[in-house]
Formats: sequence, structure tokens, C-alpha cells
Amino acid sequence: GQQVMQIPQYQHVQEGEDFTTYCNSSTTLSNIQWYKQRPGGHPVFLIQLVKSGEVKKQKRLTFQFGEAKKNSSLHITATQTTDVGTYFCAGLNNNDMRFGAGTRLTVKP
Amino acid sequence: ETGVTQSPTHLIKTRGQQVTLRCSSQSGHNTVSWYQQALGQGPQFIFQYYREEENGRGNFPPRFSGLQFPNYSSELNVNALELDDSALYLCASSLDLPRHTDAFFGQGTRLTVV
Repeated sequence: GQQVMQIPQYQHVQEGEDFTTYCNSSTTLSNIQWYKQRPGGHPVFLIQLVKSGEVKKQKRLTFQFGEAKKNSSLHITATQTTDVGTYFCAGLNNNDMRFGAGTRLTVKP
Repeated sequence: ETGVTQSPTHLIKTRGQQVTLRCSSQSGHNTVSWYQQALGQGPQFIFQYYREEENGRGNFPPRFSGLQFPNYSSELNVNALELDDSALYLCASSLDLPRHTDAFFGQGTRLTVV
């Protein structure tokens, strides 16, 4: 079955440093979505990527979808303490939505 | 606030019991998906309902069942509870399938099975 792997599991950065999380699927995806979950909260939808090679930006966040539609990345430039949380990717294949295990980001002021 | 509400927020049940969790979808959304999130893990897809019909199911046993009502609200039922069923149960509503487009999550129901 479809598997979605996400690395790293944890990332601790100094405020102002950059952060990247990577997502890899064992199968080609219809689309990929990214979510952020604060401690004790629920996942909040960030963005959806659909096209091969697509790149989308949201302020300091840059999202990429690989050419083969099997991998994706989220890059945060100049992290802030408000960026803390767990970032999940979720890949869709034949209406089967699979989340990665998430990357937990902590930011030291 | 996403407009997706779940009830109850917390629940404690005994092994072997049955539980019903409820989800009210965001206004205008006709698709509800249910997820199980164990501590420290990503959400695991249980199933999805679109216009009162099940449309897609993850790798969960039949004792996990659901229902969607004409107003698009939904229920998740779990029979014969096991200790491993302890988790945060999330529902997400969206408009139209099968893309799970712009899903909005509720705050979740934290179920503890003792």
C-alpha cells in the first residue's frame, strides 16, 4: 500500500535559521497537502500542490512538489518562534489520503 | 475557528464498550473524513463520507463504522473498544471529493480506553 515518509522527525533551530522538512511517497500522488499542528491543537491546512514541479510560496514558507509527484518539501526562511509546531504532509492517491509522521519544529529565541 | 465542531472533546471508555463521536461540518461542505491520530503520530485515514455515502476507507477493521446525515454532519462509531483505540479522533470537512480539497479539521475528540 501507499506509504508516506517524512524526515526529519524532529528539528530544533535557533530563531532566524532556516528549516526544511521532506516528504516522500512510495507511489505517485494526485496531490499533496501540508498541514501545521500546534501542540494540543488540530491540523491546520496550509497549502495543496497538484502539478508536477509546482512551487508555491506563502510569505516565508516555500512548498515544492517533485517532478515525479512522489516527493515534496516545505522550507521556512528565517524561522520565528511562532513557527513552532509539527508540520505534516498528506499525499492523496486514488482517494487514499496518507499523512506522514510529521516533523516537529522547535525554535529557540 | 474552522466551523467544524466535534463532540465530545474528551471521553473515557472501558475496553469492550462502544462509542459514538460526532462531527458537524463547515457550512457548505458535503464531504467529511475521519482520522485517528495516536500520540506523536500523523493522522491515519479511517474513512470518508460524501453525500451520505462512504467513499474511501483506510486500513481499519469493520468495528469502525460511520454515518453521514442529510445535513452532512457525521458520526464515527467504534464497537468493542480496545486499549489501542485510545487516540485523538479528528474529522475534516471539505467541499467535493475526491481531492480532499482544502480540508478543515475540527478540534478533535480525545478518546481514552481503559
